Amino acid sequence: QSALTQPASVSGSPGQSITISCTGTSSDVGGYNYVSWYQQHPGKAPKLMIYDVSNRPSGISNRFSGSKSGNTASLTISGLQAEDEADYYCCSYTNRDTLVVFGGGTKLTVL
Amino acid sequence: QVQLVESGGGVVQPGRSLRLSCAASGFSFSDCVMHWVRQAPGKGLEWVAIISYDGSNKYYGDSVKGRFTISRDNSKNTLSLQMNSLRAEDTAVYYCAKGPRVVTAIRFDSWGQGTLVTVSS
Repeated sequence: QSALTQPASVSGSPGQSITISCTGTSSDVGGYNYVSWYQQHPGKAPKLMIYDVSNRPSGISNRFSGSKSGNTASLTISGLQAEDEADYYCCSYTNRDTLVVFGGGTKLTVL
Repeated sequence: QVQLVESGGGVVQPGRSLRLSCAASGFSFSDCVMHWVRQAPGKGLEWVAIISYDGSNKYYGDSVKGRFTISRDNSKNTLSLQMNSLRAEDTAVYYCAKGPRVVTAIRFDSWGQGTLVTVSS
């Protein structure tokens, strides 16, 4: 069981918007602004999409955005494209001994 | 550009040891936190360990604490993971990843391609 809770799957049609949630506690997501999101295509290494809750690294499309409310962080993808189909993982700093926690991952299907 | 290349994976028997390496280039290695993250076949990402930019601070995930040791050689731009007392559940692709200088600013800016470790008799 992962420390952060994500839906197992989400889906949307091209052009639509979807949101993936990531729920933690006040010891991680709710207490710090060190939430990041990763995209992983099959057989490939993960790729950083969002860091520090809502910042996009250079080169990442502005169709990807992040936010946080209380103990839940969210990744929104607007204008869905076929190449967005992938697994998405959230990650957070935690003040527990482990220091880092991941979500279980969400499979995004573009219909 | 940033390049991280892992090596050292392979098949190992339960209870034995294995050492992974990650060769870094294209950035100031000695200014960055470094991590190991693993992914069991068909499963999600699991954080393994972190080492501060100067090697003075190290933290581990609960499942590897006491068995794995992370280290770095800033003179050779190399990150290592010594894995002892390996178990079947350690079977995974192991990725090295870089972060910013501050340990608590958790994020993985760049990732290597991964190296597969299979623990089996």
